[in-house]
Amino acid sequence: VQLLESGGGLVQPGGSLRLSCAASGFTFSTYAMSWVRQAPGKGLEWVSGVSHSGGGTYYADSVKGRFTISRDNPRNTLYLQMNGLRAEDTAVYYCAKGIAVFPWYFDDWGQGTLVTVSS
Amino acid sequence: EIVLTQSPGTLSLSPGERATLSCRASQSVSSSYFAWYQQTPGQAPRLLIYGASSRATGIPDRFSGSVSGTEFTLTISRLEPEDFAVYYCQQYRTFGPGTKVDIK
Repeated sequence: VQLLESGGGLVQPGGSLRLSCAASGFTFSTYAMSWVRQAPGKGLEWVSGVSHSGGGTYYADSVKGRFTISRDNPRNTLYLQMNGLRAEDTAVYYCAKGIAVFPWYFDDWGQGTLVTVSS
Repeated sequence: EIVLTQSPGTLSLSPGERATLSCRASQSVSSSYFAWYQQTPGQAPRLLIYGASSRATGIPDRFSGSVSGTEFTLTISRLEPEDFAVYYCQQYRTFGPGTKVDIK
């Protein structure tokens, strides 16, 4: 299993970024996927998740209305569109794969992509 | 909203010793939706335990999980050098603040 995130970088407050996660080594379309973030020196925070089909999307209250998760199963890719970025969104964003028995246990993770929101 | 409290914040032990980490939920929760993760510096987290007591694939049997009421426990029977890390509990989509296990 390999999960490779991209799209992070430096953005000004109020700006937008789109993160991508390219998946390989497993049948992407059969697993729920999530984004989990970690602010510098802090703990883990689940951000958003999507069902295996893409029909169900879920968000933490802290990002609801600003972030949009989606997936392209034929392309084996997960996305996170982030709008209205704030300083408190600064973090490493991990793409994480749910396990078969429960979508919110994450047994495979990417290496993370850093998002920095600053003027 | 459920709040998870992990204790202690830091646990200083020597290799070969037993580590006992606690995670307490602010209200009754289902053990079916409870997990533990390990994170070493600069690395992504690794799933250790799910369903409160089931080891994830490839996790050594020195790691075990248990539950009593609203208190969940992760036990590492004998610490190996690679076990010194930060450990997070998770209930559904909420993570605890973490316990750091460092070398005494």
